[in-house]
Formats: sequence, C-alpha cells, structure tokens
Amino acid sequence: QKEVEQDPGPLSVPEGAIVSLNCTYSNSAFQYFMWYRQYSRKGPELLMYTYSSGNKEDGRFTAQVDKSSKYISLFIRDSQPSDSATYLCAMSDYGGATNKLIFGTGTLLAVQP
Amino acid sequence: DSGVTQTPKHLITATGQRVTLRCSPRSGDLSVYWYQQSLDQGLQFLIQYYNGEERAKGNILERFSAQQFPDLHSELNLSSLELGDSALYFCASSPRQDTQYFGPGTRLTVL
Repeated sequence: QKEVEQDPGPLSVPEGAIVSLNCTYSNSAFQYFMWYRQYSRKGPELLMYTYSSGNKEDGRFTAQVDKSSKYISLFIRDSQPSDSATYLCAMSDYGGATNKLIFGTGTLLAVQP
Repeated sequence: DSGVTQTPKHLITATGQRVTLRCSPRSGDLSVYWYQQSLDQGLQFLIQYYNGEERAKGNILERFSAQQFPDLHSELNLSSLELGDSALYFCASSPRQDTQYFGPGTRLTVL
C-alpha cells in the first residue's frame, strides 16, 4: 500500500463548478499537508499549506485536513479553465521517521469553458 | 516564477553517457531537494542537501550522485544512463522544513 493515495482522474468539470480533490494517507505521523498545482511540463507550484488538522481558505481555494480519517481535500470554487492542471497532494512528518515530503500521484483536472 | 532556476531545460543524450543537471535555489534558502518525475512513477524524492551537507536520501540510484556547493547551488550527476532514466528532474528549495518551491525542471531524454 502506498503511503499517499490520490485518484489520478482525469476529472472534467464545466466552468463555474465546485471541484473536490482528495487524498488519503496511512502514516498517522504526518503533520504538514500541502497542495501543489502543476501545469503541463512545468514545475509544481505550491498552492496551499496546512499544519495539522483544520481548514484553510485562500480565495477560491479551501484545503481541509481530517487527521482522524487520514483524509485531506482541496476544494476549488467557481472553477476556471485556467485551473486546468494536475493537482498533487503532499505531506510530511518533518523531524520524524520519514522527514521528507511524500507526494500523491496527482489528479488531472480539466475545466471546460 | 518560484525563484529556483534549473539548467539546462532539455537534455538529449545516449545510453551509457553521463550528464550534469544544475540548480540554483531561491535567495537565502539553504535546503535543496532533487526529484524525478516520470509518467509511471509520479514525483519521486531523490536527495536533499542542507547548507552543503547531505540531509536525506530517497530512491536515488547508485549511478546518481549530487552535491551542494558553498554558494548553495547544487548539481545532480547521472551516469551510465539507461532508457528508463528519461524523465523530468526537478530541483526544489525551501526556507524551512515545511514548504518547498520547485524549479521549472530539466527534461532528460535518453536515446
């Protein structure tokens, strides 16, 4: 079993839709949770960062972490064609046994105009 | 623009050859990370350097090596290249442990 599982998609939605992207993980020591956006053939770009459990909002993006269920989500409101990209979740137990960033395989999102 | 630079953007070489990928971290960042991204494996952590010293190792092959220089730039050396080494190689830097900023990557093609 992989430490981080992410549905690869592809996920296709109409412009304006609410998008939900999810990851599950197995290592209960993970404390730092991130979402990266990667456009085709470009480097991953840090979108959201959350420490421990809870919600964090930034514009149209909301990140949620549920440590009891080992489940994290990224919501995109009013999705735009420019949101079309691969979204990677990442997490770590910095300072712990893993001490490195573990990435999901990424979900490919296409927002149709 | 993340502030992390990588050269070259593209590299085409033959099996058995050796190449060097270069990375300059964001100003002030002491940590540099190297990743490999291929279609079937996703983003795989290779190695981390902090202020010139190796800090953590991931799934890095023995044919691969890296170093970080006093000016904090880093180089990833790939030798005895195989077809399966064709991938995107990313460098990332971080100001602290919990966030990493990625460069644009080097696309390596081994023929």
